[in-house]
Amino acid sequence: GDSVTQMEGPVTLSEEAFLTINCTYTATGYPSLFWYVQYPGEGLQLLLKATKADDKGSNKGFEATYRKETTSFHLEKGSVQVSDSAVYFCAEGGSYIPTFGRGTSLIVHP
Amino acid sequence: GAGVSQSPRYKVAKRGQDVALRCDPISGHVSLFWYQQALGQGPEFLTYFQNEAQLDKSGLPSDRFFAERPEGSVSTLKIQRTQQEDSAVYLCASSPNGGSAYNEQFFGPGTRLTVL
Repeated sequence: GDSVTQMEGPVTLSEEAFLTINCTYTATGYPSLFWYVQYPGEGLQLLLKATKADDKGSNKGFEATYRKETTSFHLEKGSVQVSDSAVYFCAEGGSYIPTFGRGTSLIVHP
Repeated sequence: GAGVSQSPRYKVAKRGQDVALRCDPISGHVSLFWYQQALGQGPEFLTYFQNEAQLDKSGLPSDRFFAERPEGSVSTLKIQRTQQEDSAVYLCASSPNGGSAYNEQFFGPGTRLTVL
């Protein structure tokens, strides 16, 4: 079946550092791609999404570009804040059941 | 407006007990999903409802797991004769439209089940 692979965490950064969290997927065709974020004690919430090749999703300074040629959807942010500390999940939606990656924990130190 | 709520937030059960987990989706949302999230893993699909109809239950791990949504709003996930391997966080999500993974899902905070 379809799968999503994202880099293992935790990723530990200092405030204002550059962030990249890698994500690749296996679904064929043109699935929608998502990044969800889970803050401590809360449910997953959509951070950004892209629905077709070369689309760039962006929100709250985060962005990710749908790369069909490399089946990737890497998450980036130019300058992280302590408040960005959370678990980030990459997901693909090729059918009506999304497939999630294992999640990457991000810890940002002041 | 109110988001997706789940209750209880935490549940401790002795092995062999039955448990019932409740999900209140966002009012008017057509689609409702249940997921199981083991420690350090992403959510794994369990079952999907469109209104009151359970359209997919392929992810339920055994016949001890049962879900219902009788009036197309509140849903209950029931686990009979709980086992230690059932320990996980159970997530509920809803979506305003019919089933499509193109649509954003709105997640509840989850119920953490621990089976002793």
